[in-house]
Amino acid sequence: SYVLTQPPSVSVAPGQTARITCGVNNLGSKSVFWYQQKPGQAPVLVVYDGSDRPSGIPERFSGSNFGNTATLIINRVAAGDEADYYCQVWDNNSDHYVFGTGTKVTVL
Amino acid sequence: EVQLVESGGGLVQPGGSLRLSCAASGLSVSSNYMSWVRQAPGKGLEWVSVVFTDEKSFYADSVKGRFSTARDNPKNTVYLQMNSLRVEDTAVYYCARLTNWGGKFDIWGQGTMLTVSS
Repeated sequence: SYVLTQPPSVSVAPGQTARITCGVNNLGSKSVFWYQQKPGQAPVLVVYDGSDRPSGIPERFSGSNFGNTATLIINRVAAGDEADYYCQVWDNNSDHYVFGTGTKVTVL
Repeated sequence: EVQLVESGGGLVQPGGSLRLSCAASGLSVSSNYMSWVRQAPGKGLEWVSVVFTDEKSFYADSVKGRFSTARDNPKNTVYLQMNSLRVEDTAVYYCARLTNWGGKFDIWGQGTMLTVSS
């Protein structure tokens, strides 16, 4: 089955940059979407098509996707960014939507 | 304001059935791709199903043959019929709008909890 691998956790100091990776073979050929989920809340789309943002999402959130790895980048991390983050793609071989394993971001 | 509101969750015994509802406002379920995503306690997100505007549906392998989707256009509501429930189906079930085939989930409901236990 198609597995998008993310690091279980990332810790970052306030004001610094957090980088969350999502990996699978040839991921760079796909559109990757990123979601933020705070405890007890529904997921929220934060980055799509690699690096675009929905309205209301701060410019501090951006993404890249090249080769086998997509990366969500959060600049100038704030306490309010502490959450679980998931990548997501569409697997055209199975016609299934796949979420990454998830990364818990902790702001130190 | 666009909103999705799930309901119908609860406690069901293994082998039982339940139907979840997703009532939409601010968007028409008949002209959108509507999906279900679930999250087991303490676990990650898992896509469950999608129903397209032509009523065609796709399902995750873990629920195929047991779950089905339906739409009630006048009520602007999407349903997830769940049969032959298993303990491992225990999760929060979210309704979400899929923007396009192969795309992203841009609008989410608050979720409804299903517990399958004897």
